Amino acid sequence: AQSVSQHNHHVILSEAASLELGCNYSYGGTVNLFWYVQYPGQHLQLLLKYFSGDPLVKGIKGFEAEFIKSKFSFNLRKPSVQWSDTAEYFCAARGSWGKLQFGAGTQVVVTP
Amino acid sequence: DAGVTQSPTHLIKTRGQQVTLRCSPKSGHDTVSWYQQALGQGPQFIFQYYEEEERQRGNFPDRFSGHQFPNYSSELNVNALLLGDSALYLCASSQEGYTNTEAFFGQGTRLTVV
Repeated sequence: AQSVSQHNHHVILSEAASLELGCNYSYGGTVNLFWYVQYPGQHLQLLLKYFSGDPLVKGIKGFEAEFIKSKFSFNLRKPSVQWSDTAEYFCAARGSWGKLQFGAGTQVVVTP
Repeated sequence: DAGVTQSPTHLIKTRGQQVTLRCSPKSGHDTVSWYQQALGQGPQFIFQYYEEEERQRGNFPDRFSGHQFPNYSSELNVNALLLGDSALYLCASSQEGYTNTEAFFGQGTRLTVV
């Protein structure tokens, strides 16, 4: 069965700390991978996406993610977080027909 | 360029009632998907509409139905509401041809069933 799992439900860290959020997927065939962010009171926004090619993808706001096919992983990273990065982060995978399968989400809280 | 718009933003209904939620896709998009996001969970796929037909469906009962209009806008209908239907309902739009496209989400409709 297709699935996406995120390693942490809650992460608390201080400003300037580095962030890494884990994501593993279980999909057969071609898969597209995404990280979305949901700031408090706002809609889901796309941080970055991987379709093919360079497995290291860069997104908005200084985020990047690495696709490791052998590990079925697509981890999100940011070298130095800011208070404004406080949000919920969702990893998602898409196989055929555009259906997105989301992970349960990781709530990230950045303290000043 | 308007993004994905949903209405209403908030809704309170009583158990057993019926509800209709609406979605206008981003300009240029022809495919609309609906998701249910319960508190503390990731969005769950309900169904997807393309060319006014339901193309794919998630694990939701028949109480959940939808429609897509010629202008690509869409409705989600839920009949016989249960308390467990309380959630944020998200609409996402995209362009046909799933490769190298991304979905854009609306702000959602917060449905509370009492």
